[in-house]
Amino acid sequence: TQLLEQSPQFLSIQEGENLTVYCNSSSVFSSLQWYRQEPGEGPVLLVTVVTGGEVKKLKRLTFQFGDARKDSSLHITAAQTGDTGLYLCAGVQSNYQLIWGAGTKLIIKP
Amino acid sequence: GAGVSQSPSNKVTEKGKDVELRCDPISGHTALYWYRQSLGQGLEFLIYFQGNSAPDKSGLPSDRFSAERTGGSVSTLTIQRTQQEDSAVYLCASSLIPLTNTEAFFGQGTRLTVV
Repeated sequence: TQLLEQSPQFLSIQEGENLTVYCNSSSVFSSLQWYRQEPGEGPVLLVTVVTGGEVKKLKRLTFQFGDARKDSSLHITAAQTGDTGLYLCAGVQSNYQLIWGAGTKLIIKP
Repeated sequence: GAGVSQSPSNKVTEKGKDVELRCDPISGHTALYWYRQSLGQGLEFLIYFQGNSAPDKSGLPSDRFSAERTGGSVSTLTIQRTQQEDSAVYLCASSLIPLTNTEAFFGQGTRLTVV
């Protein structure tokens, strides 16, 4: 069974602080996706990283794919209250299969 | 429609009753997925459709769960003799394949409560 371990599961910080969320696996993925989910909605894709060592930036969010394509991180700089939500990583294992992390519930306090 | 549509949004049912959950995927998406999500948790894979066939049913938790897809479009997830542990949000997603170069688009989910 392929697993994608996501940490931390819960994070509550003050507005303006920085944070990092990690996803780790012993399996190699062809790519890795990060989704964000708001209450009452389905997850929405933030970014896909494909190449080992790849770094993608989305405003204050920085996504990194490990060199061996087994792990990834999401770093948020100067968090804002609008960043509050559930962040999910998903490893693409085959043409159709997504291996999901358990999610990180992020709360940014004003 | 432009996105994935699920109905109903909310369903409260009595233990032991059967329920049907519906998913309308994005037009042209050949892949369709059903997931289950407990409160604030990650996604539990249930079943994957490619067209009308289901090459991967490995996530269905018991034989009370079944799903079908017709016309390569609409899918129905049926839960028979519902139990309280079936209470969760059921999410449907559709995509093109391969997923390496695209994304899964999700519906808003059906919140199922078994009382």
